[in-house]
This record gives sequence, C-alpha cells and structure tokens, in this order.
Amino acid sequence: QVQLVQSGSELKKPGASVKVSCKASGYTFTSYAVDWVRQAPGQGLEWLGWINTVTGNPTFAQGLTGRFVFSLDTSVSTAYLEISSLEAEDTAVYYCASRHIPWAFAVWGQGTMVTVSS
Amino acid sequence: QSALTQPPSASGSPGQSVTISCTGTSSDVGGYIYVSWYQQYPGKAPKLMIYEVTKRPSGVPDRFSGSKSGNTASLTISGLQAEDEADYYCSSYAGSNTYVFGTGTKVTVL
Repeated sequence: QVQLVQSGSELKKPGASVKVSCKASGYTFTSYAVDWVRQAPGQGLEWLGWINTVTGNPTFAQGLTGRFVFSLDTSVSTAYLEISSLEAEDTAVYYCASRHIPWAFAVWGQGTMVTVSS
Repeated sequence: QSALTQPPSASGSPGQSVTISCTGTSSDVGGYIYVSWYQQYPGKAPKLMIYEVTKRPSGVPDRFSGSKSGNTASLTISGLQAEDEADYYCSSYAGSNTYVFGTGTKVTVL
C-alpha cells in the first residue's frame, strides 16, 4: 500500500544538526511532490515547504531560514529534511506528506520527534 | 504568510452538527479553490478529510462537508459521533507554490 515511513526520534543539543528521512513505498516516488510540515508541542501545524521529486527543486515557506535543507535520493525513494544550527524552538514533530491528490496533503508519514535540549 | 484563523474550540452533542470556520485573505482562501481540511487525533498524523473546498477522499464519511464564501471556508460535521472528537486544521494554497495551515480547532463531542 501507499505509505511514507519516517526515521525515528532524535535528541540533539543546541547548535547540532539533524537529518530526518521519509521513505516512500507503494507508488512511483517521482510522481508526487513531498511536503514537510512541523508541529511544536501543543501547537498547530506549520507548513515548511516542499520538494519537486523530479527536479529536486525546493520551495520554502516565507520566513523559513537557510538552516533548512530539503533533498532527495530517488534511487531509494527517500526525501530528507536537514536542519542545522538547531535551536530549542525547533523542538517539534516533523511530518512528510505527499500530494497524491493535487493541491492536498493526502498521504502522511508517521512523524519524527526532534527534541533540542542541552 | 500568516496562519489562517480558526476558532480554538467547537462542540456539539452526538447527532448534532458542528461547523468550523477558517478565515484567510484574498491571497489564500479567497483566491483559490485549493482549500483542504485535516483531522488529527492526539499523537497521530493528520488525515485528509476534504480537498478542493468540497470534495471528500475515498473512505471519508459523507457526514463531513466543506464550503467557502469569500475569504472564509467552513467544515461541517453532521450527525456528530464520538469518534469525531479530534483537532481539525484547514489549509489553503497561498500562491507561488506555497501553502498555509489554519490555527486549528479542537472539536469536543459532549
């Protein structure tokens, strides 16, 4: 079946980097864009941006700093989110999603908890 | 890009209807038909319930319906059931290949 499986929880110190993976299965990876969404503890959903799985071109939400990088490895049907210079405010669950229905986030990964703490 | 505005909470008794609003601007909700709604249970990933303002993905009960007027979209849950108690988020295309989510609404079944 169609699914996105994300990497496990991470505990990082401030200033470190983290790379979250999102592996797709059950469909042709390059057929749909991959979006990234985060949810801080007790807060709402925040759209971070998306990556074109054909060209690898990323689009970021307005105001998102250069600390965020989206990348792909199409040979293993996997998208990545890397965050550098981590801050406590980056503590959140990070979700990947794909637009199997145009203009909507139809398929979601299970989420990856990233905790930034000294 | 500012988050779309939703009421923090909504409630209803079983069998009743509840409507959640999602207010944006002419640059997002008012400018496009690409408004979607998501249901999220605690500790779980969101689930798509409505897309393109009014359409339901396969498997979503027809108790869930969507509409839009001007800069405000709405999600209505008719015949409220205990399993509908969850957080609901709207989302809209906001131009230039970007999207924005709403602030979220907690629905309580009394």
